[in-house]
Amino acid sequence: EADIYQTPRYLVIGTGKKITLECSQTMGHDKMYWYQQDPGMELHLIHYSYGVNSTEKGDLSSESTVSRIRTEHFPLTLESARPSHTSQYLCASRNPRSSYNSPLHFGNGTRLTVT
Amino acid sequence: AQRVTQPEKLLSVFKGAPVELKCNYSYSGSPELFWYVQYSRQRLQLLLRHISRESIKGFTADLNKGETSFHLKKPFAQEEDSAMYYCALSPRTSNTGKLIFGQGTTLQVKP
Repeated sequence: EADIYQTPRYLVIGTGKKITLECSQTMGHDKMYWYQQDPGMELHLIHYSYGVNSTEKGDLSSESTVSRIRTEHFPLTLESARPSHTSQYLCASRNPRSSYNSPLHFGNGTRLTVT
Repeated sequence: AQRVTQPEKLLSVFKGAPVELKCNYSYSGSPELFWYVQYSRQRLQLLLRHISRESIKGFTADLNKGETSFHLKKPFAQEEDSAMYYCALSPRTSNTGKLIFGQGTTLQVKP
C-alpha cells in the first residue's frame, strides 16, 4: 500500500549518541520534508528535498542532517544527541505533479527523548 | 513575515453546538491555505483546502482576504470531531512546497 513510513515511533536515548530517524515513502513523491514539533507548539520545517541528491535547510535551524540517495528514502541523522533535541519529528511528502496547493502526506512521526 | 496564528489553544464545546476555529495569517501575497487535523493516535492529515471550496465532514472554511482570516466552521459539532486542528499556509511564490503551520487548536466536543 502506498504510504509514508517513519521508524522508530518512539526513541529514548542517552546524550552523545548518534541516531538516525528513518522515513520512507512508496508514493513516488519527489518532494520530501522534515518538520520538528515541540509539545503544544507549531510544526517547524527543518529540512526539505526536491529529489535525489537535493537537500535544503528549512526555516528552523537544526543540528540534524539529512540525505536523499534514493527517491523513497529521506533519513534524518543527529551525530550527537542532546536533551535539547527532545521533540517530535514528522516526515512528509508531496505529489510531484501538483503545485503549491497539493496536500502534504505525513508519517506517524518519531517522538525522540534524549536523557 | 509569513505567519499563521491560531489564538485558541483549546476550544471546548458541547455536542450539537456550533464550532469556529480561528486562523489568521500574515502574508504579503495571495496565499494558499489549508486545515489539517490530527485525531487521537492518528497521523496529521489534510481536512480541507481553500482552493477546493469544499465541505469535509461538515466543516467549511472561507478565505477572508480583508481580515486575513481562514476560520474553520461547523454548525453542529460531533464527539468524533474532537482532535487537534492546524491551520497552514503555502506561499505561492515558493517552489519548495513547504507549509507554514499555526500553533494548533485542540477541539474538545463534550457529550
